[in-house]
Amino acid sequence: DVKVTQSSRYLVKRTGEKVFLECVQDMDHENMFWYRQDPGLGLRLIYFSYDVKMKEKGDIPEGYSVSREKKERFSLILESASTNQTSMYLCASSSRRSRANVLTFGAGSRLTVL
Amino acid sequence: DQQVKQNSPSLSVQEGRISILNCDYTNSMFDYFLWYKKYPAEGPTFLISISSIKDKNEDGRFTVFLNKSAKHLSLHIVPSQPGDSAVYFCAASNNFNKFYFGSGTKLNVKP
Repeated sequence: DVKVTQSSRYLVKRTGEKVFLECVQDMDHENMFWYRQDPGLGLRLIYFSYDVKMKEKGDIPEGYSVSREKKERFSLILESASTNQTSMYLCASSSRRSRANVLTFGAGSRLTVL
Repeated sequence: DQQVKQNSPSLSVQEGRISILNCDYTNSMFDYFLWYKKYPAEGPTFLISISSIKDKNEDGRFTVFLNKSAKHLSLHIVPSQPGDSAVYFCAASNNFNKFYFGSGTKLNVKP
């Protein structure tokens, strides 16, 4: 069964801490995405990557950075966590080779910043 | 400004009846639309999609309708089952690499 795996399901961090959210996919997908989900706002795109070492800003990149050193791994970094970054973070991947392009999501990482 | 909108935050339907979830979009360049279903504590899972060259796509109990002139799509679930209770997100894309999501509709199917 193909998968997108997010390393941490629940994290609690303090304001100012550096936070790493890791995501790994085993489908050899070129594209990887980080979204955050907040009530009433749906899923908002933070960053995405078309290929190794490539990254593009999404709609809400402020306060975040990303790293894609290997095709299967896409990391989201909060350099200095703030309380307004408390959210559910969802990683997804997709293939450019398929005409019916579909995002496959991980189970999510719920981050609480105190 | 949100390019994809789901104006109904919640919907309650009796088991066996039809559920209709609606979605509106503003960008006429969108040419591919998807519906995702999300259970609590899980990631969204793909449900059904439709290309802009079609106006209807059916998969079992699920049918998506697209009205391009109105920039509106809807998801019909017939018959609704209690296991369909979840949050449903619609999404749209115009280049297969970037998707815009609505805010979701929470469906409750009552036994």
